[in-house]
Amino acid sequence: TQLLEQSPQFLSIQEGENLTVYCNSSSVFSSLQWYRQEPGEGPVLLVTVVTGGEVKKLKRLTFQFGDARKDSSLHITAAQPGDTGLYLCAGESSGTYKYIFGTGTRLKVLA
Amino acid sequence: DTGVSQDPRHKITKRGQNVTFRCDPISEHNRLYWYRQTLGQGPEFLTYFQNEAQLEKSRLLSDRFSAERPKGSFSTLEIQRTEQGDSAMYLCASSSGKDNSPLHFGNGTRLTVT
Repeated sequence: TQLLEQSPQFLSIQEGENLTVYCNSSSVFSSLQWYRQEPGEGPVLLVTVVTGGEVKKLKRLTFQFGDARKDSSLHITAAQPGDTGLYLCAGESSGTYKYIFGTGTRLKVLA
Repeated sequence: DTGVSQDPRHKITKRGQNVTFRCDPISEHNRLYWYRQTLGQGPEFLTYFQNEAQLEKSRLLSDRFSAERPKGSFSTLEIQRTEQGDSAMYLCASSSGKDNSPLHFGNGTRLTVT
């Protein structure tokens, strides 16, 4: 059974601080996606990483896929209250198009 | 592109009753997924379809759960003899099926079993 563990589970920080969320597994994934979910809504895609070691930037968000494609991280610089939400990683099993989601990191950014 | 729609948004039922949820994916998306999510947790995979074919059903899912996508368009998820532990948000997503294509989620059906 493939599992994706995210850490931390909860994070409450002040506006302007930096943070990193981790997504770890013992399994190899062909790709990994990061989503953000707000209350009462479905998750919305932030980014997809495919190649081991790949780094992608989306404004203040930096995503990295581990060299072995078993883990990923999301770094937010100068967090803002609008970044508040549930962050989810999702790994795809090679060739199956089946996505397994991580345990989630709930972020709250205080003004 | 009207997005993925799910119906109903909320469902309250008594233990032992059957419930059915509907998902209308983005048109021409050939893959459709069902997930279950409890508060603050990540979505748990239930099942997925390519067109009308059900590719996999989670081994964690009891026989009380069944899903169909008869014409490769909309899908239904039925839960028979509901239990209080079935209370959760049920999310549907669709994708185009191309490599690394994102999942587009609906806003879910929140089920409460009393």
